[in-house]
Amino acid sequence: VQLVQSGAEVKQPGASVKVSCKASGYTFITYGISWVRQAPGQGLEWMAYISAYNGNTHFAQKFQSRVFMTTDTSTGTAYMELRSLTSDDTAVYYCARDRRDYVDVWGQGTLVTVSS
Amino acid sequence: YELTQPPSVSVSPGQTARITCSGDALANQYAYWYQQKPGQAPVLVIHNDSKRPSGIPERFSGSTSGTTVTLTISGVQAEDEADYYCQSADSSGTFVFGTGTKVSVL
Repeated sequence: VQLVQSGAEVKQPGASVKVSCKASGYTFITYGISWVRQAPGQGLEWMAYISAYNGNTHFAQKFQSRVFMTTDTSTGTAYMELRSLTSDDTAVYYCARDRRDYVDVWGQGTLVTVSS
Repeated sequence: YELTQPPSVSVSPGQTARITCSGDALANQYAYWYQQKPGQAPVLVIHNDSKRPSGIPERFSGSTSGTTVTLTISGVQAEDEADYYCQSADSSGTFVFGTGTKVSVL
């Protein structure tokens, strides 16, 4: 079981970033995907969840208006787009296989740097 | 809601490390523990309060009492030096992570 994420990104303030997460080794639609971020030197912060089965989503309140998620069941890939970036969004973004109340497999992480 | 952990725990090799995680929601929800080494993604070490995933050494165990859960590492090894995070979820499926504990092996 593996989740492989897209590479590092550098974005300007106000822009958007889209991170991909390709799953392998399991039936993609059986589990959802959660997105978690970690700012430099800080702890883990859960952002949102998407069901790979039906596309249902659930968000942490602070991300509800800026995070957009999709899945492509034909390729087993999940996507997370974060809009209206600020310097506070500089972080490593992780996707993780969601077991409903926890996650059990993590992607390697994608560093997103927001800088002018 | 919040999950509170001590910022750091120091332990000598072979000794026992105990990391606590406190929060009101833990009285009714399961807790989960993740280990994160520098520059790496987190790894699940305990689920459903006390269950160990396949491949996790037996020296890792979890317990619960009221609104506090505890991760115990028995016979600590140098490779156990890492940050540890507890996590729970409310009834709507919102995840909350604890503040994190840095375990130092002296």
